[in-house]
Amino acid sequence: ETGVTQTPRHLVMGMTNKKSLKCEQHLGHNAMYWYKQSAKKPLELMFVYSLEERVENNSVPSRFSPECPNSSHLFLHLHTLQPEDSALYLCASSQGRLGDTQYFGPGTRLTVL
Amino acid sequence: AQKVTQAQTEISVVEKEDVTLDCVYETRDTTYYLFWYKQPPSGELVFLIRRNSFDEQNEISGRYSWNFQKSTSSFNFTITASQVVDSAVYFCALSEALGGNEKLTFGTGTRLTIIP
Repeated sequence: ETGVTQTPRHLVMGMTNKKSLKCEQHLGHNAMYWYKQSAKKPLELMFVYSLEERVENNSVPSRFSPECPNSSHLFLHLHTLQPEDSALYLCASSQGRLGDTQYFGPGTRLTVL
Repeated sequence: AQKVTQAQTEISVVEKEDVTLDCVYETRDTTYYLFWYKQPPSGELVFLIRRNSFDEQNEISGRYSWNFQKSTSSFNFTITASQVVDSAVYFCALSEALGGNEKLTFGTGTRLTIIP
């Protein structure tokens, strides 16, 4: 595998379910990111991890819980979501310094019923 | 606060025509970076170009070219002789320092449709 991978690619869940999104980067990067892309809205940064430490939590509801066990893996744990949380969730990685290019995964299309 | 404006929500052109996508940015930083990404229907954001604030030279890569003008805070993207495969949503982004790291501020994107 190369680049940034995300699983699953599609997820449908009820509001009472608990699920997790997984992201893995094979680029040797130090920073990983979660973004949310909703229809007709700009990409919203949710979380930033640098060397496995969270450096940004962009006022995200607690029903989204990130986890970064090492610099190659990033998870987004989901519980008691709302229908408005339906979106494309994108993971990215970079070396983490100003100006370093962020490389994105293919995203997980989440639908909350 | 930083801001990126892509005023063109949707553009449609006939194949082989040239098309320019506009990007205007706002920042108080003297050192910053600008990016363009392409998002095809598959969803993945594909990196196209990075430009730093000290380098105003225009860049050409095949059918793609970029015009960076600090005087007007613009970083426009031109596709020459467009092809159907160019159909996608294109995003302009501006980097911002976040402690020792960075974050990107994205524009709302321009949906480009190339008509065969």
